[in-house]
Amino acid sequence: DVQLVESGGGLLQPGRSLRLSCTTSGFTFGDYAMSWFRQAPGKGLEWVGFIRNTVYGGAAEYAASVRGRFTISRDDSRGIAYLQMNSLQTEDTAVYFCTRGAWFKELVWGDGMDVWGQGTAVTVSS
Amino acid sequence: DIQMTQSPSSLSASVGDRVTIACQASQDIDNFLNWYQQRPGKAPKLLIYDASTLDTGVPLRFSGSGFGTHFTLTISSLQPEDVATYYCQQYDNLPLTFGPGTKVDIK
Repeated sequence: DVQLVESGGGLLQPGRSLRLSCTTSGFTFGDYAMSWFRQAPGKGLEWVGFIRNTVYGGAAEYAASVRGRFTISRDDSRGIAYLQMNSLQTEDTAVYFCTRGAWFKELVWGDGMDVWGQGTAVTVSS
Repeated sequence: DIQMTQSPSSLSASVGDRVTIACQASQDIDNFLNWYQQRPGKAPKLLIYDASTLDTGVPLRFSGSGFGTHFTLTISSLQPEDVATYYCQQYDNLPLTFGPGTKVDIK
């Protein structure tokens, strides 16, 4: 079975850093881009960014709200995607989800690509 | 950025009813549209991609239509397990953007 498990969430003060992990199993990790989304409490879904797989250059794209503060990386040997979050703000408080694949141009596989983890909660508060 | 709107924001219907949710994009997005279902306390689940293609394992009572700027998600016969919030999402261009969601419950 394809599985994605996020970890690393927690409570921290504004300005601090945190790294989330997305540990995967059940598929060939290197074949897929990986994406991150978030959902603030009681709010809708927001795209955070994605990282291409190596075949497509491995570069990442980010939402404007996190660009320059967040970095997505991947370890293909371990099947893990990371979201490094720096200079955290109260507005970053959300449940963070990782997903398999990326809905963008050549990265789209279509049927069955889209699988989500259960999410990990990040709370930024003084 | 492409803005996505949805209507209604919420609805209540009886089991077996036909339910329709509308989604509109602020500019032409071809058919690059997903529909997600998010049950309370759960991660979103993809129902439909390319505006009208059912993802693997999605019940046939779900269908999608539309092209360009206007799209529709239809549940042909509402079931108790369909209680959820439904989101449309465009992937024609970055940033990927979602509609605000439509909350569906049982009357």
